[in-house]
Amino acid sequence: GQNIDQPTEMTATEGAIVQINCTYQTSGFNGLFWYQQHAGEAPTFLSYNVLDGLEEKGRFSSFLSRSKGYSYLLLKELQMKDSASYLCAVRDSNYQLIWGAGTKLIIKP
Amino acid sequence: ETGVTQTPRHLVMGMTNKKSLKCEQHLGHNAMYWYKQSAKKPLELMFVYNFKEQTENNSVPSRFSPECPNSSHLFLHLHTLQPEDSALYLCASSQDFSGGADTQYFGPGTRLTVL
Repeated sequence: GQNIDQPTEMTATEGAIVQINCTYQTSGFNGLFWYQQHAGEAPTFLSYNVLDGLEEKGRFSSFLSRSKGYSYLLLKELQMKDSASYLCAVRDSNYQLIWGAGTKLIIKP
Repeated sequence: ETGVTQTPRHLVMGMTNKKSLKCEQHLGHNAMYWYKQSAKKPLELMFVYNFKEQTENNSVPSRFSPECPNSSHLFLHLHTLQPEDSALYLCASSQDFSGGADTQYFGPGTRLTVL
């Protein structure tokens, strides 16, 4: 079967750095997405990785290793507004998105 | 604001009711999706429409019936639902259902409670 694993919940301090990991086993690979979802709101697109390496976008970076079936989302200079759920999704060989259950990130002052 | 709107935002219905969820996208996209999101579970893809044609139906019970009259509008008709169908129903759209960095844009969802 297809599976995406990510931690259920993480806690970090305002101003710090946090890394959210995602591991996947899917039938084929056509890219990996990270989305942010605030409580009661729509998931919003953060990043897309299809080649190995690091993609940086301001305070957020996403890393991919296809050989290891592994990605992480790195958030720097954490702000209170970063408290949200972070969803990892992989596009499989049928171009369907397979989703993780999400990581709830709690930021403390 | 993502360019995808959903109505209603909240819906409470009995098991014998019939109701419909509506989604509209203002992004000029050709693919639209219905997802079910339950607490602490991954998003479940229900239906995909690409250029108004249904391309995916992931074994969804027949009490859920989608309708896509044009590329901008998507409906989910609900009939004789069960309490376990209570969840957040998300609509999304993308340029088209293909590979590459085709990004899905989500609406805010309809929080459905079945009594």
